[in-house]
Amino acid sequence: GQQLNQSPQSMFIQEGEDVSMNCTSSSIFNTWLWYKQDPGEGPVLLIALYKAGELTSNGRLTAQFGITRKDSFLNISASIPSDVGIYFCAGPPRDGAGSYQLTFGKGTKLSVIP
Amino acid sequence: DVKVTQSSRYLVKRTGEKVFLECVQDMDHENMFWYRQDPGLGLRLIYFSYDVKMKEKGDIPEGYSVSREKKERFSLILESASTNQTSMYLCASRTGQAKNIQYFGAGTRLSVL
Repeated sequence: GQQLNQSPQSMFIQEGEDVSMNCTSSSIFNTWLWYKQDPGEGPVLLIALYKAGELTSNGRLTAQFGITRKDSFLNISASIPSDVGIYFCAGPPRDGAGSYQLTFGKGTKLSVIP
Repeated sequence: DVKVTQSSRYLVKRTGEKVFLECVQDMDHENMFWYRQDPGLGLRLIYFSYDVKMKEKGDIPEGYSVSREKKERFSLILESASTNQTSMYLCASRTGQAKNIQYFGAGTRLSVL
């Protein structure tokens, strides 16, 4: 099946710093989703991308749908302590059950040092 | 706002017990999903349902079953709980239309002793 590779796996940053993470696939995706999971909670959708080259912001978060359609990027500007959590990328695979399912990356765990 | 509610946040069960995890969504979504989440393994799909009374196996269905008698409710059943089923269980729902967005519940952390 398709796999999504997220990097970095984890990162420790100082409060106020900007953060960048990415997600890559060996095959084309038509949708990229970015979720955040707070400790002990379920994932919450941050940003959805549907078009190659699309750049979308949600507050201090900006995500981009890569031109090749095989990657996506998430940036967080001026990090704050509540940004702590695990960030997942996801997209629908193109085989098997079609668009019912999502393939998830394994996540980037973000820690913010006050 | 979409609301996906999982009946328990924490559960502790004994090996061999039958365990029911309940999930309810209030947005009239056609599709519902059960995942388990383990450190280093990410989210793995157990079962999903694309409509009432319909179910499909995901990537790791062994040891689990599901029930969807009503559109808003999707239950995950552990017929005979084992210690290797200790995990975080996440329910999600999705409209049958495009967009592909799944909405998650807060999760149930299950410990099997």
